[in-house]
Order: sequence, then structure tokens, then C-alpha cells
Amino acid sequence: KAGVTQTPRYLIKTRGQQVTLSCSPISGHRSVSWYQQTPGQGLQFLFEYFSETQRNKGNFPGRFSGRQFSNSRSEMNVSTLELGDSALYLCASSLGGAFEKLFFGSGTQLSVL
Amino acid sequence: GNSVTQMEGPVTLSEEAFLTINCTYTATGYPSLFWYVQYPGEGLQLLLKATKADDKGSNKGFEATYRKETTSFHLEKGSVQVSDSAVYFCALGGGSGNEKLTFGTGTRLTIIP
Repeated sequence: KAGVTQTPRYLIKTRGQQVTLSCSPISGHRSVSWYQQTPGQGLQFLFEYFSETQRNKGNFPGRFSGRQFSNSRSEMNVSTLELGDSALYLCASSLGGAFEKLFFGSGTQLSVL
Repeated sequence: GNSVTQMEGPVTLSEEAFLTINCTYTATGYPSLFWYVQYPGEGLQLLLKATKADDKGSNKGFEATYRKETTSFHLEKGSVQVSDSAVYFCALGGGSGNEKLTFGTGTRLTIIP
């Protein structure tokens, strides 16, 4: 069974641009969560989608948004990029029950110059 | 709200040494507790979990016991190997209707031969 796939693996953008990251969950998984990982803050929860609906949301500004498609694939968008948005963005999928085992992708490393 | 505090890293040990990584938490209600591990260049993987007080999670020689009286979930291994070098994250989920996982900042472990 294929794991969680995130694309692209690396991204370099400049301040003010926007970016879209993609996540394909494990087949059959209906929940997709997004996390931002930085050396100073660790993993910060962005949001979770289940069956195309945002079920939980973290404390990030509105520049961070996401969506989920009917095939459970998810995208995350960051608009008006800031230097502080440089981070590893991780996607995790699960069947959907609360606190089920999360399966993480390898992440997208975003660098904002 | 929920929070997790892990011991600061990095931690460097010799092969076959005893490992302890401290983790304490703050939560209302009865959360579930987790340890995730991140190997270089990869996403996080669930290492072990415990869902109620006095439960012991174990996997690959690692153990952690859910201690409600001390609000702790310390990770231990009796004899570490070079292959255990990774970043370890303590996390909690649940409690008073909190549906998302809250992670600690991570502890980088390096094992030298």
C-alpha cells in the first residue's frame, strides 16, 4: 500500500508570492491533517480535513488555507508569503477516528527568500 | 489548553547506553499520549501510545508509562543502537473535547558507536 505522498519535495519562493502544496493520503484514509515544522516551534497544527470538510483548525492567520477533494487528496495554500513561513510542511492521513494512528508524508520544505 | 513539554536536546549517547527522554503534559480530562519518531529525511512515525493512566506503551524496545499523578510519559530504552538516532516527539490528544494532537518540540537523539 502506497504511503502518504507530498509534492513538491522542495520549494523556493520570494516574499509576497503564494504557494500550493499537495498531499495524497493513503488509500481509504478520509482524514488529512497539516502541520508546520520549524526548529524553534516544533510541530504546529494547521488544520484537518475529513470528507471534504474542515474539522479542526489551529491558530494560524487566514493566509493559510486548505481544501480536500472527493478523492481525499488535499491541498494547502499560503498567500502573501513571509520569511517566517519558511518551514517543513507535513501532511498526515488517518482513517478518521479521533487520535487514530497518523501516517505522515516526508513533507515539503518551503524556503521563502 | 493542552501542552507538552519535552526535555531539551540534543542528546548524544554511546551505543548500548540507557535512554530516557522526559515528557510532561498539561491537559484537562483524560488525554491519550503518544511518542512519534522522525528519521532523517522522513515524516513522523508512531512509535508507541497509551490511552489511559498506568498503561504502558512499548515498541522496538522502547517503553513509556502513562503517569497521571506526575502528568508524565517518559520514553525509555534499555540499550540504544546507532539506528535509533532520530528526533523523538511526545504528543497528546483528547482530554476535554480537544480533537487534535498537540506535539512537543522534539528531542534530537544521536547514538555514537
